[in-house]
Amino acid sequence: GAGVSQTPSNKVTEKGKYVELRCDPISGHTALYWYRQSLGQGPEFLIYFQGTGAADDSGLPNDRFFAVRPEGSVSTLKIQRTERGDSAVYLCASSLGGSYSNEQFFGPGTRLTVL
Amino acid sequence: AQTVTQSQPEMSVQEAETVTLSCTYDTSENNYYLFWYKQPPSRQMILVIRQEAYKQQNATENRFSVNFQKAAKSFSLKISDSQLGDTAMYFCAFMKSNTGKLIFGQGTTLQVKP
Repeated sequence: GAGVSQTPSNKVTEKGKYVELRCDPISGHTALYWYRQSLGQGPEFLIYFQGTGAADDSGLPNDRFFAVRPEGSVSTLKIQRTERGDSAVYLCASSLGGSYSNEQFFGPGTRLTVL
Repeated sequence: AQTVTQSQPEMSVQEAETVTLSCTYDTSENNYYLFWYKQPPSRQMILVIRQEAYKQQNATENRFSVNFQKAAKSFSLKISDSQLGDTAMYFCAFMKSNTGKLIFGQGTTLQVKP
């Protein structure tokens, strides 16, 4: 079956612009996660959805970052007034549920470059 | 706060040989889970193996096994009979019980040489 997909695969934008990154989870997965991976580093947790609601958004760095999952499936990560420091690969993952026993399946990521 | 440390930025191993990647973590939690993920150049993160902290027996998945030392907060990954396809970046990760939130280490780049 289809895995987690993310669009676009690459996004180049200018400082100060607004961007949206999309994640399509595996069908039937109720939990969805966003992580950010800077060059040469491990992924850093941003936010976790269980269904439509954010169960944990403690990793969002500031109020320029926002994520939604209105119908409990597709999620969009929104970044306002982008800064050069936002440049990274944004990874999305999904799982059947939010517990340990449910493996997180990762997408290929969106590489965001802010000029 | 939990932290995960991988002290080996790069490792290399000859094909068919065995290699061990190190990971230590810091937590005050008693119930948690530990993972090793593989990230090839394609960027897609793949789960290699996982361990429940309450289990004393070390997890094994085919050529991959772990050495889990709870008191020492150490969680190393052993890859036996290394294959060229094992070349990738490997991340150790921690999850507090039932949170869903993974905390990753900095990663170890493994090169398997023919």
